[in-house]
Amino acid sequence: NAGVTQTPKFQVLKTGQSMTLQCAQDMNHEYMSWYRQDPGMGLRLIHYSVGAGITDQGEVPNGYNVSRSTTEDFPLRLLSAAPSQTSVYFCASSYRCFFGSSYNEQFFGPGTRLTVL
Amino acid sequence: DAKTTQPNSMESNEEEPVHLPCNHSTISGTDYIHWYRQLPSQGPEYVIHGLTSNVNNRMASLAIAEDRKSSTLILHRATLRDAAVYYCIPLGSNYKLTFGKGTLLTVNP
Repeated sequence: NAGVTQTPKFQVLKTGQSMTLQCAQDMNHEYMSWYRQDPGMGLRLIHYSVGAGITDQGEVPNGYNVSRSTTEDFPLRLLSAAPSQTSVYFCASSYRCFFGSSYNEQFFGPGTRLTVL
Repeated sequence: DAKTTQPNSMESNEEEPVHLPCNHSTISGTDYIHWYRQLPSQGPEYVIHGLTSNVNNRMASLAIAEDRKSSTLILHRATLRDAAVYYCIPLGSNYKLTFGKGTLLTVNP
C-alpha cells in the first residue's frame, strides 16, 4: 500500500490564482479530511468527507472547495489564492466504523507546502 | 469539543522513560482519548488511544485517570527518533480530530 499520497509537495502561487491539491489513498478508507498547519500551530480542519458523494465543512472552510467522486480521491481546490492561505496542507484518511476501535487510526499524508505571494 | 491542556515543551534523555501529561477536564463520557505525534517536517502519526482502561501498544502506554479528566502518555525508553510534538486529542464519534499546540518533546543523547 502507498498509504496517503499528496501532490504536489511544494507549490508557489500568485494572489488570485486557483489550484487543486491532490490527495489519494489506497486503503479503501471511507473518511478523508483536509487540514492546514500554520507555523507554530496545531492542525486545523478545513473540510472532511465520510464517503463518496458526501462532504462537510470543518473549522476553517472559507476559500476552499472539495468534492469526493470516488472513495480513493479527495482533492482540495483553492478558488482564488490569498497570502493568508500560505500554509502546509495535510490530507488524512481512516476507516469509519466500529467507533473506538483501532481501525479508527487516521493516516496522514506527507503534506503540501503552499506559498501564496 | 473538549479542551486540552498540555505543557508547551518537555525534555528527556535517551533511554529514559518519558511521561507526557494532558488535562482534558471537559471531556465527554463517550470521547476516546487519542494521542498523535508529529515528527519534524512530517504529517502526524497515530500513537495510541483509550477510553477508560490503561492501554499498551508497541509504541507507548496510555494511563487514564479514573475520573478521565487527565491522561499520561508514557514512552518507556525514549530514543532520538521520539523527538516530536505530541498531541492529546479527545475524539468523538464525528471522527474530527481537533489539534491544540501539543507538547514539544526534546530527547538529549
